[in-house]
Amino acid sequence: AQSVTQLGSHVSVSEGALVLLRCNYSSSVPPYLFWYVQYPNQGLQLLLKYTSAATLVKGINGFEAEFKKSETSFHLTKPSAHMSDAAEYFCAVSDQGTGFQKLVFGTGTRLLVSP
Amino acid sequence: DAGITQSPRHKVTETGTPVTLRCHQTENHRYMYWYRQDPGHGLRLIHYSYGVKDTDKGEVSDGYSVSRSKTEDFLLTLESATSSQTSVYFCAISESGADYEQYFGPGTRLTVT
Repeated sequence: AQSVTQLGSHVSVSEGALVLLRCNYSSSVPPYLFWYVQYPNQGLQLLLKYTSAATLVKGINGFEAEFKKSETSFHLTKPSAHMSDAAEYFCAVSDQGTGFQKLVFGTGTRLLVSP
Repeated sequence: DAGITQSPRHKVTETGTPVTLRCHQTENHRYMYWYRQDPGHGLRLIHYSYGVKDTDKGEVSDGYSVSRSKTEDFLLTLESATSSQTSVYFCAISESGADYEQYFGPGTRLTVT
């Protein structure tokens, strides 16, 4: 069965510092991988996704993630944090080759940004 | 923003009472999903639908039922609510294909006392 592990339920950074949110997946076949962001009292919205094209994926709001098969990782980064980046971030995985998208989510990482 | 609404947005109910949550979409997407979000668990799939009258169970389906009589509406029913079903419930929609993104509704906060 697929699973996703997000290391660190909370990550704190200063404004302007590098953001690194970690995601490791477990899947028997090459998966599709997603990062979603959730702002307070809102639903989730897609930041970026990996669908077996380029291994370095750029998303919205300056975020990017790199798919590393050898490390089974899909870490999310942003060079310089903004106060507006404070939110909860979820990594998710789904199997390729199916019409139905069954997403398995990680437990989430809350990003705190201090001035 | 994808056209997804959920109703009600907040509900407090007593143990043992039935509760129905509604998800409505205006995007004509084939797939619809119900998730629950709990601290420390992320989002877990309750049920999903792949067409009118076509539904299947997800990871945490016990105590929940769903129905989809029209493309645009997906109902989640708790037949007899329990305190363990206190949660935030999200509806999502997607087009066909495992690489498509899911669009999420604003959520319903349900408290069972």
